[in-house]
Amino acid sequence: NAGVTQTPKFRILKIGQSMTLQCTQDMNHNYMYWYRQDPGMGLKLIYYSVGAGITDKGEVPNGYNVSRSTTEDFPLRLELAAPSQTSVYFCASSYLVLAGKEFFGPGTRLTVL
Amino acid sequence: DQQVKQNSPSLSVQEGRISILNCDYTNSMFDYFLWYKKYPAEGPTFLISISSIKDKNEDGRFTVFLNKSAKHLSLHIVPSQPGDSAVYFCAASETSGSRLTFGEGTQLTVNP
Repeated sequence: NAGVTQTPKFRILKIGQSMTLQCTQDMNHNYMYWYRQDPGMGLKLIYYSVGAGITDKGEVPNGYNVSRSTTEDFPLRLELAAPSQTSVYFCASSYLVLAGKEFFGPGTRLTVL
Repeated sequence: DQQVKQNSPSLSVQEGRISILNCDYTNSMFDYFLWYKKYPAEGPTFLISISSIKDKNEDGRFTVFLNKSAKHLSLHIVPSQPGDSAVYFCAASETSGSRLTFGEGTQLTVNP
């Protein structure tokens, strides 16, 4: 099992550009999450999904969109990138809605200049 | 509004000694607390948790203590090993199945 994989590992964007951060899990988990971690701050939940076709906003959803067409994939879309979106993005999945049961991906470091 | 705070950005200890990482919270509705460990270029991994009905939970070298009246929890690692060098995040939620609020993290360095 590869677990949770994220691509790309690093990316530099110019202000106003768009991109999609990819997240795939091979554990057949229903629950998937996107977090961001700003420098010197804790992780904050952007969006989450409880199953294919179902997504919901987390704590900091503005500037992002998600989709969940399959159980395995949960891409995060940034439209009109802004410097405030410079962050490390973590995708996670879990088989239970229970804190501590998440499997996190290695993260995508995004810089917006 | 930072509801979970880890006031020490870094901590350095000698191998074999005790590491104590601290975390304070302000939301009295928090009922479930966790510690995660993160190595460079990896995602966080769950380490240990405690619910508010307990004041201590042990798992091998790791013990978490909860002081609800002080809204304070701590993670003790005894004995510390160089492989424990990582960033440690505390997190809290209102129930074990609800959204997590994370602290800023503490970089622990264990020197051989």
